[in-house]
Amino acid sequence: EAQVTQNPRYLITVTGKKLTVTCSQNMNHEYMSWYRQDPGLGLRQIYYSMNVEVTDKGDVPEGYKVSRKEKRNFPLILESPSPNQTSLYFCASSIGTSGSPLHFGNGTRLTVT
Amino acid sequence: TQLLEQSPQFLSIQEGENLTVYCNSSSVFSSLQWYRQEPGEGPVLLVTVVTGGEVKKLKRLTFQFGDARKDSSLHITAAQPGDTGLYLCAGVGGATNKLIFGTGTLLAVQP
Repeated sequence: EAQVTQNPRYLITVTGKKLTVTCSQNMNHEYMSWYRQDPGLGLRQIYYSMNVEVTDKGDVPEGYKVSRKEKRNFPLILESPSPNQTSLYFCASSIGTSGSPLHFGNGTRLTVT
Repeated sequence: TQLLEQSPQFLSIQEGENLTVYCNSSSVFSSLQWYRQEPGEGPVLLVTVVTGGEVKKLKRLTFQFGDARKDSSLHITAAQPGDTGLYLCAGVGGATNKLIFGTGTLLAVQP
């Protein structure tokens, strides 16, 4: 089954404790992206990757890092999480360019206390 | 900065009613996508409209792209509880062909 898999689904952590949210897709998609979804603010792009070893900042990149060492994986790293990073995070992929329709994962709900 | 405003923000209706959700911008988009997001899941693509004035139907859902490609609407006929969810429009535009998401419309259909 074609899918984007994120882990974990839920994560509660404390300020400053490094964490990684994994994302993997099995559709051989070139493009992958991370979004955060907050009430009243909609989906905002954090980082995206057009291909392996190519990553770029989205609209809200501060406090986040990503890497794209393999085509299928695109982890999101929070080196020193803060409470304002409490949010619902989605990984997405698409077959084409940044404007192509996206396949989303089921989300990771992160709480930073 | 391109913005996509959706209205209404919230909509609660009874099963069987009709409704329309609007997606408006002052910017022109090369194409526009509609997604539905159910609780606990990620958004799922419903349709992509590309041509100004285009109308697409998906069972009881009718999508229209404005003639000037600045706005779009989603009309649901005889809504059912299974239509409940967050409806998101997303436009493709700008020099980088970036996907810009709308603010969303949360629909609740009561049985």
